[in-house]
Amino acid sequence: NAGVTQTPKFQVLKTGQSMTLQCAQDMNHEYMSWYRQDPGMGLRLIHYSVGAGITDQGEVPNGYNVSRSTTEDFPLRLLSAAPSQTSVYFCASRTGFSGNTIYFGEGSWLTVV
Amino acid sequence: TQLLEQSPQFLSIQEGENLTVYCNSSSVFSSLQWYRQEPGEGPVLLVTVVTGGEVKKLKRLTFQFGDARKDSSLHITAAQPGDTGLYLCAGAQAAGNKLTFGGGTRVLVKP
Repeated sequence: NAGVTQTPKFQVLKTGQSMTLQCAQDMNHEYMSWYRQDPGMGLRLIHYSVGAGITDQGEVPNGYNVSRSTTEDFPLRLLSAAPSQTSVYFCASRTGFSGNTIYFGEGSWLTVV
Repeated sequence: TQLLEQSPQFLSIQEGENLTVYCNSSSVFSSLQWYRQEPGEGPVLLVTVVTGGEVKKLKRLTFQFGDARKDSSLHITAAQPGDTGLYLCAGAQAAGNKLTFGGGTRVLVKP
């Protein structure tokens, strides 16, 4: 049962470096999203996609890019990492209606020094 | 200011005690979900409530959606150490695809 798979699990970056967090789901879900989680702030939506070829901004999109070339994959790119992007990142997917169950990946711990 | 405010932020109780976590907003939600997250893992859905005034029970957990669909509560009866974790509420608004999360309540149940 793969579900939502994120890689890498841990990453340390230097300020100014770029990197891509990978996310893949095998449940044929239309909707995929990226959240970041910081202490006391719950999860904040970065970007989301309602289907292949369609992406949109969430609550905190600055400094991040996404693309959705296939239903399965939704990579998150950090263009020029900043210490403020130190966080835990979660990828999630679900079918259709916004009240449906969201399935989360296990998280990617990113530290920018 | 977050759209969904959870209280308290942290709760420490002894095994066997009861606890209630609150999730409040000035906005109306078409549905509200509760998640539990354990260290090193992603959140896992506990329940979804969609009707104002709805009450759902999951073993020792009772979830209530406010009549006006602006608030919700999670009540745990006779808490056990296995209930320890971060509890998150999340609301969906009818107009869009976005799910908004509260800041979370960290619960510690001591044996």
